[in-house]
Amino acid sequence: GAGVSQSPSNKVTEKGKDVELRCDPISGHTALYWYRQSLGQGLEFLIYFQGNSAPDKSGLPSDRFSAERTGGSVSTLTIQRTQQEDSAVYLCASSLALAGEYEQFFGPGTRLTVL
Amino acid sequence: AQSVTQPDIHITVSEGASLELRCNYSYGATPYLFWYVQSPGQGLQLLLKYFSGDTLVQGIKGFEAEFKRSQSSFNLRKPSVHWSDAAEYFCAVGRIQGAQKLVFGQGTRLTINP
Repeated sequence: GAGVSQSPSNKVTEKGKDVELRCDPISGHTALYWYRQSLGQGLEFLIYFQGNSAPDKSGLPSDRFSAERTGGSVSTLTIQRTQQEDSAVYLCASSLALAGEYEQFFGPGTRLTVL
Repeated sequence: AQSVTQPDIHITVSEGASLELRCNYSYGATPYLFWYVQSPGQGLQLLLKYFSGDTLVQGIKGFEAEFKRSQSSFNLRKPSVHWSDAAEYFCAVGRIQGAQKLVFGQGTRLTINP
C-alpha cells in the first residue's frame, strides 16, 4: 500500500515569507507526527495528533509554527515569517497507535531552505 | 528527562566485517526502543523495535539488537556488512503506552570500505 507522502519535496523561500508543508499519512493511521531534522540539532519532535484528542504541541519551537489535521487525515504544518534557522528537513510520520502497534512510518520529508 | 546517546558520530568498517552501533538511553518508564536507518535523501526506515519479550530482537536486512536494561543500552549489530548498508542510523526511544513522540539520538553515520 501507499506510504506516507509529503509535499513539496523541496521548498525554497525568502526570509519573512509563510510556508505550508503537507503530509498525507497512511490510510487508517490515527496518529500523525511532525519532526524536524537539521544539522546540529538532529531529529526533533515538533507536534503530534492522536485521533480526536488535543494535539501535543510541546515540541513547536515558537509561535510561528502551527499545524492542523483535517478530517483525521491530511496535516499541514505552517511556518509564518520564516527565518534562516527554520531551514531543515521536515519529516512527517504516522502510526496505527493501537496496543503494540506504535511503529511510526516516515515520509520522505520536505527540505525547506530559507534564503 | 528522556534522552538517547549514540556515542559514535561516524564509523567506518570494511565490507564483510562485523558491525556494532552503540545506543544508550535515559527514560523514566519502560521504554519502547527503535533503530531506524536513513539513506541519503531518503526518509527513515524502521530496522527493528523492542518493547517486551526476548531481549535479542531480529530486524530487517540482517540486523539485530540486544536490549540490556542494566546498562540502559540497545546496541545494533550485524555480523557482516554490505556496501549497501552505508547510511545514517538512528536509535530512538518512546513510551510503550499510547501514541507518543520519539526521542532520537544524534545518529551514527556508517561508511563501508570496499
